[in-house]
Amino acid sequence: GESVGLHLPTLSVQEGDNSIINCAYSNSASDYFIWYKQESGKGPQFIIDIRSNMDKRQGQRVTVLLNKTVKHLSLQIAATQPGDSAVYFCAERRSTNAGKSTFGDGTTLTVKP
Amino acid sequence: GAGVSQSPRYKVAKRGQDVALRCDPISGHVSLFWYQQALGQGPEFLTYFQNEAQLDKSGLPSDRFFAERPEGSVSTLKIQRTQQEDSAVYLCASSLAGVSYNSPLHFGNGTRLTVT
Repeated sequence: GESVGLHLPTLSVQEGDNSIINCAYSNSASDYFIWYKQESGKGPQFIIDIRSNMDKRQGQRVTVLLNKTVKHLSLQIAATQPGDSAVYFCAERRSTNAGKSTFGDGTTLTVKP
Repeated sequence: GAGVSQSPRYKVAKRGQDVALRCDPISGHVSLFWYQQALGQGPEFLTYFQNEAQLDKSGLPSDRFFAERPEGSVSTLKIQRTQQEDSAVYLCASSLAGVSYNSPLHFGNGTRLTVT
């Protein structure tokens, strides 16, 4: 079936290091991908998105890479800070069913001071 | 500016009771979405609206779940005869554009429903 999954459920990094969170998806029809950050007790917060006609997009301290050949995307966070500690979800949407986003189960990022 | 507002923040219901969860989207946002999030998992799609039209309700788990958005703004998710498996956080999100455009979702902080 269709799924969106993350390679590791938890990731622990030292403050100031770079973090890489990975995500695999199974449906080649997926054409829009989003990364969300969710802090405890809050709803998911948009971080960055990428369309399938791109392979890289940069934001402030974050970069998303998309490899459609192996159906993989990653979120890179530069100079990770304690405030980056949260659960990170990747999600995908398809233009044929654009109202529905499919989320993975999340990676919990812990930043050690 | 105000974000997506959901109420109540917490709801405890006895099994068999009906509940109603409210969502106030960001003003002017065309699309509205409901998601269910079980503990330790990612959000699961329930339904979405474009203005007042419910365009997809394929994620609603049973006919006990009903959502409406009669005037294209505020939405209510109603669960009848609640069961313990309904316990979850119910998230509402809105987006500025219609769903034919790729635009990110803006989520509220959810309603945590506990069925005892």
